[in-house]
Amino acid sequence: QLVLTQSPSASASLGASVKLTCSLSSGHSTYTIAWHQQQPEKGPRFLMKVNSDGSHKKGDGIPDRFSGSSSGGERYLTISSLQSEDEADYYCQTWGTGFWVFGGGTKLTVL
Amino acid sequence: QVQMQESGPGLAKPSETLSLTCSVSGGSISSRNYYWGWIRQPPGKGLEWIGSIYYSGSTYYNPSLESRVTISVDTSKNQFSLNLSSVTAADTTVYYCARLDYDDLVVDYWGQGALVTVSS
Repeated sequence: QLVLTQSPSASASLGASVKLTCSLSSGHSTYTIAWHQQQPEKGPRFLMKVNSDGSHKKGDGIPDRFSGSSSGGERYLTISSLQSEDEADYYCQTWGTGFWVFGGGTKLTVL
Repeated sequence: QVQMQESGPGLAKPSETLSLTCSVSGGSISSRNYYWGWIRQPPGKGLEWIGSIYYSGSTYYNPSLESRVTISVDTSKNQFSLNLSSVTAADTTVYYCARLDYDDLVVDYWGQGALVTVSS
């Protein structure tokens, strides 16, 4: 069964960097995933897609501070030079035989 | 630039059917390159995929909701719709429409969301 696993929470200081992880279930390590950001009281916004080879393609207007990478069945979102507006929930998402799958989300707190 | 907008009643009565429409602009819903879907998010919780539709009318539904869900597409209006029957208070949540790119298999556009409250 295709499952995406995320840590429920993460925190980092203003101006620092943070790396969020999305883990693909066993047998699905080659899947492409997307990262989405949901700021408080707003709808989700597509940030980027991340391929199994680590390449990534960002959505329109996404700052260079956001980048993606991969290692095996793990997909990462790195945010550098953290700003207060980066405090949000981050979801990973993929697709499996017609089904859209979402991770449980990581709540990022900027200290 | 693709824009997606949900519309429909913000209130539904228990046991009745919740209906929402997603209007798409800046792109054709008839394109072979995309799936169109509905996702919901209970207050304070994560995202739950409800179902999706291809321009041809092929549908996929979340097994947990399949018995109550119907998604349809109206290519003439560039819209797709959600019907959720026999609603209860547990269906009170924000509903989002979204587009999934068929090549990348990722969601790349979202609507702003529509809050639907189930109450008598």
